Amino acid sequence: AQSVTQLGSHVSVSEGALVLLRCNYSSSVPPYLFWYVQYPNQGLQLLLKYTTGATLVKGINGFEAEFKKSETSFHLTKPSAHMSDAAEYFCAVTPNSGGSNYKLTFGKGTLLTVNP
Amino acid sequence: GAVVSQHPSWVICKSGTSVKIECRSLDFQATTMFWYRQFPKQSLMLMATSNEGSKATYEQGVEKDKFLINHASLTLSTLTVTSAHPEDSSFYICSAPGVAASAYNEQFFGPGTRLTVL
Repeated sequence: AQSVTQLGSHVSVSEGALVLLRCNYSSSVPPYLFWYVQYPNQGLQLLLKYTTGATLVKGINGFEAEFKKSETSFHLTKPSAHMSDAAEYFCAVTPNSGGSNYKLTFGKGTLLTVNP
Repeated sequence: GAVVSQHPSWVICKSGTSVKIECRSLDFQATTMFWYRQFPKQSLMLMATSNEGSKATYEQGVEKDKFLINHASLTLSTLTVTSAHPEDSSFYICSAPGVAASAYNEQFFGPGTRLTVL
């Protein structure tokens, strides 16, 4: 069974500072990996995903993440935080078997606050 | 492309009544849709997989007779919370897998429905 661990339920940074949100997964084979962002009372928006190929993935809004198989990690970073980045961030995995098995397993989420 | 809508966006009902939530894929077809429940300050928990033309598959611990799912067309899945009670108050979110090659293994989420049971 797959599982996702997000270290830190709450991360607080200053505007302009580096954002680092941690995600580790547990799976018998490397899964497909996703980061989603959720603003209050809204659905989820995909920031970026890793399926195959380059392990450094660039997403929207200046975010990027690096898949490290040896560390079973997929940490999310952004060089300079903006006030609009304040939101809940979820790391998620799905089996890489393809086909119609799209079940997502989510981490518990990390609330990012950005201080002026 | 790949827009998923939900209706209503919020609903308040009395205990014991039933509430229907719709999930629509607006510009693509979805033979599979997923229903999630999210309690305040918690993550999304998968409730069930909705399959067009067949029965839904429920996750362990989810009462299928309480949460009725109907996937009658390739663009619409409905979740009916029957005999709702205050503990069913939650944020319900649906999603559908992308079909384009660029959206392989990606899910598109609806905006969610806030259910409050009094």
